[in-house]
Order: sequence, then structure tokens, then C-alpha cells
Amino acid sequence: AQSVTQLDSHVSVSEGTPVLLRCNYSSSYSPSLFWYVQHPNKGLQLLLKYTSAATLVKGINGFEAEFKKSETSFHLTKPSAHMSDAAEYFCVVSKRNQGGKLIFGQGTELSVKP
Amino acid sequence: NAGVTQTPKFQVLKTGQSMTLQCAQDMNHNSMYWYRQDPGMGLRLIYYSASEGTTDKGEVPNGYNVSRLNKREFSLRLESAAPSQTSVYFCASTQPQGVDYGYTFGSGTRLTVV
Repeated sequence: AQSVTQLDSHVSVSEGTPVLLRCNYSSSYSPSLFWYVQHPNKGLQLLLKYTSAATLVKGINGFEAEFKKSETSFHLTKPSAHMSDAAEYFCVVSKRNQGGKLIFGQGTELSVKP
Repeated sequence: NAGVTQTPKFQVLKTGQSMTLQCAQDMNHNSMYWYRQDPGMGLRLIYYSASEGTTDKGEVPNGYNVSRLNKREFSLRLESAAPSQTSVYFCASTQPQGVDYGYTFGSGTRLTVV
């Protein structure tokens, strides 16, 4: 069975410092992995996705994530946080051969202090 | 604009009332999904439809029914609403082919059951 674990429910950083949001996955075969962001009272926006091409994936707004099969991880990083990055972030795995269902992690709330 | 349209955006129901949440996509996607979002739990799959004419239960189907009316439309029905169904509901669609495909989410329906 596939599952996703986001290791931190809340992360707080200062503006201009690096961001690290951690995600581990469990999958019986090569997964498709995604990071989505949700700003308060808004819908879901795709940040980036991994679909078995390059292991380092670059997304929008300066975010990137590295797929590490040996560690079953897909951590999200950004070199320098901006106030507008404050939001909730979801790590997601896709069950490609079962109708493409998405399995969501519990979410990590990112706070950015001035 | 192409995308996923959900109606209504907000709804308040009394316990025991019924209602149908509507979802339509204009991207000719085969697969459609209904998720609910609750604090600290990410998004959980209620029902999905891998293709027109098929529907399957997800992680939390109890208290809900769905109808895949045609390729464009996938509705979610609450027959007898309960306070535990207070949540934000998201519809999504995708075309799961190959290794690189994306999901499009609606903007959500915020439902309160009193």
C-alpha cells in the first residue's frame, strides 16, 4: 500500500532563511510524487512533481525537491523564505495504476517570521 | 477558462438535510475525484471515478453517494447530513496516461452542518 508521511506538522522560519519541509513515502513501485501548496482559504496549487525523470525537480516560486529512492524521501526546499510562502504544504503520492488516485500527507504549516 | 468548476462555494445545512455538490471539468479528463479536507488530516479520498460509467469507494465513503453523470460531471450527494460531514470538499480531475500527467482541483465547497 502507498502512504505519505510529512514529518513536521508545523515549521517556522525567518524571512530570508532556508526552508526544509520533510516527506517520506511508502510505495511498492516507482511512484509519482507531488508537492501542493494551499494558501489560507484558497484551493490547491501544484508546486512541483516527480514522475521518474530527473531526481531533482524544480518547481514554481524557487522551490525544489529531490527524490531519494534509497531514503524513500521527497523533501521540499527553498534557499530563502519569503513572507508570501506562509501556507500549508502537502506531499502527495499517486497510485498510477489504480485510477490515478492521490494519497495526501497530513500537511505541514509553514510560518515565516519577518 | 479550462478547469474544474465546483458549486456551490459555501453551504450551511441542518442535520438530516440532503444536498448535492456539483463538479464539472472541461478538459476531457477520464478520471475524477472527490476529497474532503479536515484540519490536521490532509485531503482524504471519498469516491473516485476512473472513467465514465465507473465509480469506486475511497478512504472515507460512508454517508456519501456519487454519480458520474457523463464524462464532464461528477456529483457528490449527502443523503442525510451529519455534523461530522462539516468540511471543505474538493473535486479534482486528471488524465492518467504515461508517466507525466497533472491533476486539476476545483476551488472547493465549504460545507457546515449544524
